[in-house]
Amino acid sequence: GAGVSQSPSNKVTEKGKDVELRCDPISGHTALYWYRQSLGQGLEFLIYFQGNSAPDKSGLPSDRFSAERTGGSVSTLTIQRTQQEDSAVYLCASSLTQGASSPLHFGNGTRLTVT
Amino acid sequence: QKEVEQDPGPLSVPEGAIVSLNCTYSNSAFQYFMWYRQYSRKGPELLMYTYSSGNKEDGRFTAQVDKSSKYISLFIRDSQPSDSATYLCAMSEVNTDKLIFGTGTRLQVFP
Repeated sequence: GAGVSQSPSNKVTEKGKDVELRCDPISGHTALYWYRQSLGQGLEFLIYFQGNSAPDKSGLPSDRFSAERTGGSVSTLTIQRTQQEDSAVYLCASSLTQGASSPLHFGNGTRLTVT
Repeated sequence: QKEVEQDPGPLSVPEGAIVSLNCTYSNSAFQYFMWYRQYSRKGPELLMYTYSSGNKEDGRFTAQVDKSSKYISLFIRDSQPSDSATYLCAMSEVNTDKLIFGTGTRLQVFP
């Protein structure tokens, strides 16, 4: 079956522009996560969606970052007025249920470069 | 101080060697411990999962958790060039949905 799909795989944008990153989770997975991976920094939690509950936005680094999940499936991460420090790989993951005992399945990420 | 510390490497070993990868952590509430493997330009994939203390073995891989020392390890026996990847530890408290990751250790196994 299909895994987590992310698009685009690579994105180069100019500083100050807005970008949208898309994530298609595994069908039937109720939980969806966004992480950011910077060189030497590991994976940084950004936001978490579980079913119809309010998302956990505690990891979003600034109000330029937002995310939505439509119909409990596809998710979009939007970064407004991009800055060079936003350059990173943005990883999406889904899991069958909520809770740390449910393994995360990651996509291959979107590599964002802000020039 | 980060909640989870992991040596970034790179760790370079010959084929057939036993590899030891480690993480330390500061949060005594962590109960779930995982190891993810990440190949270049790919997303992480779950390798091993352990709840609380103890050992878990799966083929050539063994995960150990020592909660008294706040220290977890992943051992790879008979390492292969195909094991060359970045290994990330991750951990979580009970009743939370957020995994905290280490920075990852890059492993290179040469023939």
